[in-house]
Amino acid sequence: GQNIDQPTEMTATEGAIVQINCTYQTSGFNGLFWYQQHAGEAPTFLSYNVLDGLEEKGRFSSFLSRSKGYSYLLLKELQMKDSASYLCAVRDPDSNYQLIWGAGTKLIIKP
Amino acid sequence: EAGVVQSPRYKIIEKKQPVAFWCNPISGHNTLYWYLQNLGQGPELLIRYENEEAVDDSQLPKDRFSAERLKGVDSTLKIQPAELGDSAVYLCASSPHGGGSTDTQYFGPGTRLTVL
Repeated sequence: GQNIDQPTEMTATEGAIVQINCTYQTSGFNGLFWYQQHAGEAPTFLSYNVLDGLEEKGRFSSFLSRSKGYSYLLLKELQMKDSASYLCAVRDPDSNYQLIWGAGTKLIIKP
Repeated sequence: EAGVVQSPRYKIIEKKQPVAFWCNPISGHNTLYWYLQNLGQGPELLIRYENEEAVDDSQLPKDRFSAERLKGVDSTLKIQPAELGDSAVYLCASSPHGGGSTDTQYFGPGTRLTVL
């Protein structure tokens, strides 16, 4: 079956670094997305990985290992505004390229 | 560039009443998605359109849900009659390249539905 696993909640301190992990088991793979969702708002696109390795984009980086079915989102120099849910989604070509979504990780930033 | 527009933002209705949600995608985006999102969960796909054609509606509860995208631009999602369990956020998203391997989805703000 299709499954995306993420921790439910994480807490980190302003200015620190946090890593949010995502593991997936899907019948097919054609890319992994990370979205940020503030409470009561729409998900907004953060990153896309389709090849193994690290993609860096400012304070945010995303890593993918296809052989391990594993990704992480790394947030550096945390700011209070980074408090949000972070959603991992895998595109599955065997499901008509549908995105299979994780439940999201709620990140709480403390001063 | 304007983002995905949805209305209304909030809707409260009594069970068994009908309700409709409207979405206008980003200009030029051929693919449109309707999702349902419950609190603490990821979005669940209801239906995907390529232009005016529904190419994936396998997860749409067709006994009470319907959708249309008559001119291949804006879309309406309807529930009739609504049930208590339909309370959720209904998200619309669009993408430019037909939902294939290079596509990124952009979401609207959603409609929060409360069924009493």
